[in-house]
Amino acid sequence: DIVMTQSPDSLAVSLGERATINCKSSQSVLYSSNNKNYLAWYQQKPGQPPNLLIYWASTRESGVPDRFSGSGSGTDFTLTISSLQAEDVALYYCQQYYDTQWTFGQGTKVEIK
Amino acid sequence: QVQLQESGPGLVKPSETLSLTCSVAGGSISNSYWSWVRQPAGKGLEWIGRIHSSGSTLYKPSLKSRATMSVDTSKNQFSLELTSVTAADSAVYYCTRPPGGWGFMDVWGKGTTVTVSS
Repeated sequence: DIVMTQSPDSLAVSLGERATINCKSSQSVLYSSNNKNYLAWYQQKPGQPPNLLIYWASTRESGVPDRFSGSGSGTDFTLTISSLQAEDVALYYCQQYYDTQWTFGQGTKVEIK
Repeated sequence: QVQLQESGPGLVKPSETLSLTCSVAGGSISNSYWSWVRQPAGKGLEWIGRIHSSGSTLYKPSLKSRATMSVDTSKNQFSLELTSVTAADSAVYYCTRPPGGWGFMDVWGKGTTVTVSS
């Protein structure tokens, strides 16, 4: 299985400031034939199911605010919230789908400082 | 807009079989992939497996011996059975849609909590 490791486990950011979450895969999730990174990001608020934010590492899902962006390639990826809003307090997960066995990171908790 | 709704017993006894159904509304279950993910209380997400409407399946290896997924196109539903459950199977179970079978999941059910206890 591809192991996904997120850092940090939690972070506190002031409103309006940038939040950055990292995700590292144990092997590359870049498929060379189509140059796509098989990496997604989800947001999960308490008591709710996860919500897809980003797929193909950097494609924003419809309806997701543009303050959310994804970047990276190969084994190292980043989710950035450019200006943290109160409603962004949540858990964030990365997920690889390069392998037939899909796996998630352990999650990163984002709070307001 | 496709919506998913899980249903099934909230309490299952150890060693028995967990059975859940996901109802698909707002779209057809046909010609699509569907998936199950679970989340133990206070923990992260675990992918269980996926099924195509044709019936082809793929399971997480560690659950393969106990998990069975099926599709009922006449009812627009798909199901998960997990045998010989233990307390470690207690979790919120989500049904999801991975569009095109790629792997990212764009639609999630609200989740159903299953507790394994005698």
